[in-house]
Amino acid sequence: AQSVAQPEDQVNVAEGNPLTVKCTYSVSGNPYLFWYVQYPNRGLQFLLKYITGDNLVKGSYGFEAEFNKSQTSFHLKKPSALVSDSALYFCAVRDTPGGSYIPTFGRGTSLIVHP
Amino acid sequence: DSGVTQTPKHLITATGQRVTLRCSPRSGDLSVYWYQQSLDQGLQFLIHYYNGEERAKGNILERFSAQQFPDLHSELNLSSLELGDSALYFCASSGGGSNQPQHFGDGTRLSIL
Repeated sequence: AQSVAQPEDQVNVAEGNPLTVKCTYSVSGNPYLFWYVQYPNRGLQFLLKYITGDNLVKGSYGFEAEFNKSQTSFHLKKPSALVSDSALYFCAVRDTPGGSYIPTFGRGTSLIVHP
Repeated sequence: DSGVTQTPKHLITATGQRVTLRCSPRSGDLSVYWYQQSLDQGLQFLIHYYNGEERAKGNILERFSAQQFPDLHSELNLSSLELGDSALYFCASSGGGSNQPQHFGDGTRLSIL
């Protein structure tokens, strides 16, 4: 079975500071991992994914995520936060091979960037 | 712009009524997924269609049904509506392969009075 956890309901960071949004996962095989962002009154937008290869994945809007197999984590990071980064962030996982085609989403982490 | 179109954006109706939500997937995407998002339940997967065929069911109530048409658009039908059905309903589409991300529409906000 596949599962994902986002241990923080909310993350607060000052503008200009680095940010980290945490995600841990559990799969039987190898994970496909995804990060999405949701702005108010909008659908989820794809940010980045890890499928295989380099553990550091770069995505949209200056975000990156680091895959750590030993810690089963896929934390989202950005070197310098912007107020406009304030949004709801979702981590998702698919188990491969043979896992569910349907990704499992975390409950989301609200990121608040203070001016 | 994700390329996924959902209509209507807002829907207000009463308990016991029936509504239909519509989704047009991104051009070329054969997979359509429906999700329900509420404050207390988070993002709940409802159902997945691939090229007109149902492929997976999640936490979808028997009062809810969906279909995907030959032109690949999809409809989610909600009947005998209850107050607890008030939520955001999202449609997402994706291309082939489980390594492909989903592309979400902006949702339909359903309010039951």
